[in-house]
Amino acid sequence: AQSVAQPEDQVNVAEGNPLTVKCTYSVSGNPYLFWYVQYPNRGLQFLLKYITGDNLVKGSYGFEAEFNKSQTSFHLKKPSALVSDSALYFCAVRDGGATNKLIFGTGTLLAVQP
Amino acid sequence: NAGVTQTPKFQVLKTGQSMTLQCAQDMNHNSMYWYRQDPGMGLRLIYYSASEGTTDKGEVPNGYNVSRLNKREFSLRLESAAPSQTSVYFCASSETPGSSYEQYFGPGTRLTVT
Repeated sequence: AQSVAQPEDQVNVAEGNPLTVKCTYSVSGNPYLFWYVQYPNRGLQFLLKYITGDNLVKGSYGFEAEFNKSQTSFHLKKPSALVSDSALYFCAVRDGGATNKLIFGTGTLLAVQP
Repeated sequence: NAGVTQTPKFQVLKTGQSMTLQCAQDMNHNSMYWYRQDPGMGLRLIYYSASEGTTDKGEVPNGYNVSRLNKREFSLRLESAAPSQTSVYFCASSETPGSSYEQYFGPGTRLTVT
């Protein structure tokens, strides 16, 4: 069965510093991987995806993610954090079949201190 | 385009009451989904609909029913609400696999069952 794990419940980073939010996956076949962000009292917003191709994927709001097949990881990164990046981040993997069903991780709360 | 809309935004029910959560999308997507979000558990799939006229159970379907009314609308019904169904409910939609893979989410319905 497909699954993703987000090992950190919370990540704290100072504004202006680089940030990394970790995600590891377990899939049969080729992984289709996603990152979503959720701001307080809002729905999830799509940030970026890896389907195939370049291992470094660029997304919205200056975020990028690095796909690493040997380490089965898909970490979310940003070179310089902003206070406005503080939110809940979810990693997800496509479950396959006739739909784009997703399996979500448990989420990582990113707190950026001024 | 409004994207994915959900009504109501908030609801308080007493144990045993019933209600229907409404969801509509204006992106002409074939697939639609209902999730619940609980602290520390990420998003869990309740039901999904691969296309108009079809529905299937997800990870946590007990206590829920769904109706794919037409291509735009996908409703979730709680026949006899229980306190364990206190949660935030999200509807999402996606295109047919192969053209795009990400899901788009509504703003959510916060449900409390007392």
